Amino acid sequence: QSALTQPASVSGSPGQSITISCTGTSSDVESYNLVSWYQQRPDKAPKLIIYEGNKWPSGVSDRFSASKSGNTASLTISGLQAEDEADYYCCSYASSATFVVFGGGTKLTVL
Amino acid sequence: EVRLVQSGAEVKKTGESLKISCKGSGYKFINYWIGWVRQMPGKGLEWMGITDPRDSDTRYSPSFQGQVTISADTSINTAYLQWGSLKASDTAMYYCVRYVRGCSSTSCSLDYWGQGTLVTVSS
Repeated sequence: QSALTQPASVSGSPGQSITISCTGTSSDVESYNLVSWYQQRPDKAPKLIIYEGNKWPSGVSDRFSASKSGNTASLTISGLQAEDEADYYCCSYASSATFVVFGGGTKLTVL
Repeated sequence: EVRLVQSGAEVKKTGESLKISCKGSGYKFINYWIGWVRQMPGKGLEWMGITDPRDSDTRYSPSFQGQVTISADTSINTAYLQWGSLKASDTAMYYCVRYVRGCSSTSCSLDYWGQGTLVTVSS
């Protein structure tokens, strides 16, 4: 069982917006604005798309945005495109001995 | 261009030892924490641990403490992940990762990933 909880799958049609949630605890998501998000296409290494809560690495589309409320962080992808079909993982710094925790991953299907 | 280039796939027997590597280039290696992430077949990402190449300060996930050793050689800009005695359950893809600004209560994001090293362990 992963430390952060994500839905197993989400889907949407091209042009639509989808949101992926990431629920943690007071030891990680709630206490720090340090949730990062990663996109992993099939048979590829993950890629950073959001860091430190809501910052974009160079070259990442602003169709990706993130927010947080309490112990739940969220990734929103607007204007869905076929190329967005991938697995998405959240990750947070944790004050416990765990140090860093990942979510279980969410498979995004573009219909 | 920042690159993390990992060593090639390995096929080993249970009980054997193994050390895989990750060579950093395009940046000042000693200035960035580096670590490892496991992905078992068809499964999600698991954080294994991290090391600061400047002073070898190393932290491990409780799940991997005592099971693996993470190290770095700043003379050749290379990080390592090693096992003393492999198990079949160690079969996975292993990614080395660089951290944006270390890993603490103020910053902890993995900005560059290696291409992955597939380790297969059988009896």
